[in-house]
Amino acid sequence: DAGITQSPRHKVTETGTPVTLRCHQTENHRYMYWYRQDPGHGLRLIHYSYGVKDTDKGEVSDGYSVSRSKTEDFLLTLESATSSQTSVYFCATSGQGSEQFFGPGTRLTVL
Amino acid sequence: RKEVEQDPGPFNVPEGATVAFNCTYSNSASQSFFWYRQDCRKEPKLLMSVYSSGNEDGRFTAQLNRASQYISLLIRDSKLSDSATYLCVVNIGGNYQLIWGAGTKLIIKP
Repeated sequence: DAGITQSPRHKVTETGTPVTLRCHQTENHRYMYWYRQDPGHGLRLIHYSYGVKDTDKGEVSDGYSVSRSKTEDFLLTLESATSSQTSVYFCATSGQGSEQFFGPGTRLTVL
Repeated sequence: RKEVEQDPGPFNVPEGATVAFNCTYSNSASQSFFWYRQDCRKEPKLLMSVYSSGNEDGRFTAQLNRASQYISLLIRDSKLSDSATYLCVVNIGGNYQLIWGAGTKLIIKP
């Protein structure tokens, strides 16, 4: 499996506060992704990156921003967290093929 | 209509039985297909890619029917450890354009 870590693994925060989730990979994969997973839904893409400083929006990008200053790190920021952003967030990477490899996830609760 | 549809289950199956799941997709331009497995409160993990000619990996067989736009996963001689949610994934083009089904939950009973 790709070496992908996420931090924090769990977080509880209050509505209106900023939150940053970090994804770190050691596989030198070009592509990185942030998804959210909610009951009854498939994984939904928030943002993705196709290289350092190259990012684009996914299906559910409103309220989220990302940055990628190094190949190995991809940050997801919730500028002002809302209760609807309570979810499990997964980071994924891919190299040459379209198969994606996932980090362990971050459980975020917004009160 | 969802782009990728799966029966959410759960499928309750006795150990040793054969179980099959189907997944339908709506985009006829879909290029590649995958099955992932996700254990409770864990990340999805790639189970197998699905090739046009069908492919097998041990007890697992995947089939693709482009005409009817569905893929299937067959598990033979099911084990307790096969209990998980199985996610159907379709690539509609490019590395980022994966569309995920919501998953089918499988419970193998002793």
